[in-house]
Amino acid sequence: EAQVTQNPRYLITVTGKKLTVTCSQNMNHEYMSWYRQDPGLGLRQIYYSMNVEVTDKGDVPEGYKVSRKEKRNFPLILESPSPNQTSLYFCASSFSSWDQPQHFGDGTRLSIL
Amino acid sequence: GENVEQHPSTLSVQEGDSAVIKCTYSDSASNYFPWYKQELGKRPQLIIDIRSNVGEKKDQRIAVTLNKTAKHFSLHITETQPEDSAVYFCAASGPLGAGYSSASKIIFGSGTRLSIRP
Repeated sequence: EAQVTQNPRYLITVTGKKLTVTCSQNMNHEYMSWYRQDPGLGLRQIYYSMNVEVTDKGDVPEGYKVSRKEKRNFPLILESPSPNQTSLYFCASSFSSWDQPQHFGDGTRLSIL
Repeated sequence: GENVEQHPSTLSVQEGDSAVIKCTYSDSASNYFPWYKQELGKRPQLIIDIRSNVGEKKDQRIAVTLNKTAKHFSLHITETQPEDSAVYFCAASGPLGAGYSSASKIIFGSGTRLSIRP
């Protein structure tokens, strides 16, 4: 089944403790991105990747890192999480670029205490 | 950079009536405009999209119109049903250009919570 898989689905952690949210897609998509969803703000793009080893900042990249060492994986790293990063996070992928439909994962709800 | 405004933020319509959600964008270089539906607790899913070389696109009860001159696009849902209740997001994206500080960003509207009254 074609899908985007995120892990974990839920995480409660404390300020400053490094965490990684994994994202994997099995559709051979080139374009992958991370979004955070906050009430009243919609979906805001954090980082995106056009292909392996090609990543770029979205609208709200501060406090986040990403890597794209393999085509299928695009982990989101919070080196020193803070409470303002408490949010619902979605990973998404699309076939080639920004002008193709995004396929979203099921989301990761992060709570930073 | 690009900015997408979406209205209204909430919309309640009687079952069977039509619903219209509007979005405006700021960057004339934008040329891809998708709409996503997000049911409660679920992931966003594409319901329809339109490209800048097309003025209107329809898929059964759903249609999208694009006015490039005015830089706005709208989602139209006819004969609404209870299962149409959800949050709807518009988005705009485009290639590297004057309005985009980096290539390939996707900018979403803030969402519209649509409720269908029985």
